[in-house]
Amino acid sequence: QKEVEQNSGPLSVPEGAIASLNCTYSDRVSQSFFWYRQYSGKSPELIMSIYSNGDKEDGRFTAQLNKASQYVSLLIRDSQPSDSATYLCAVSGAGSYQLTFGKGTKLSVIP
Amino acid sequence: GAGVSQTPSNKVTEKGKYVELRCDPISGHTALYWYRQSLGQGPEFLIYFQGTGAADDSWLPNDRFFAVRPEGSVSTLKIQRTERGDSAVYLCASSLGTNTGELFFGEGSRLTVL
Repeated sequence: QKEVEQNSGPLSVPEGAIASLNCTYSDRVSQSFFWYRQYSGKSPELIMSIYSNGDKEDGRFTAQLNKASQYVSLLIRDSQPSDSATYLCAVSGAGSYQLTFGKGTKLSVIP
Repeated sequence: GAGVSQTPSNKVTEKGKYVELRCDPISGHTALYWYRQSLGQGPEFLIYFQGTGAADDSWLPNDRFFAVRPEGSVSTLKIQRTERGDSAVYLCASSLGTNTGELFFGEGSRLTVL
């Protein structure tokens, strides 16, 4: 049974700070990794995908992947109150159409 | 349409009743997915369609659940003899089919079984 683990939070950071969200996964053959943002009462929205070890930056967001440690993280620089949401980590295997989601980490950015 | 459309947005039904949830994917997206999300949980995979055929329906919770996509576009998730445990938000997503993890979700259908 594939598992994706996230700290449920809430994680509170002041406006302008760096928010660090972490995720571990159990299936060593996982190949693709995603971060989805979900505002309260809304559906998930893809914000980052990462497929190889290292860092991937997109604006204020940086995804980091370490397959040896089975660990993926999301950094949000210059956090804004509008970043307050639940962040879902999702993982899939090679050629797999199925995403396994974590329970999500609730982020609160305090003005 | 501009995004994935799901109807109804809310459905309240009584235990034992039959419900249908509809999904209209983004135009041109060949892959369609159904997920279920309970409160405080991440989305849980139910079924995937590439074109008209279900690639794998083995993740449906039980035989009360069934999904179709007869013409390769709109899909319907059907739940027979609903139970209170079926209460959740049912999310439909679509993708271009190649990057299957990069999903575009609809706003979901919230099902409440009394």
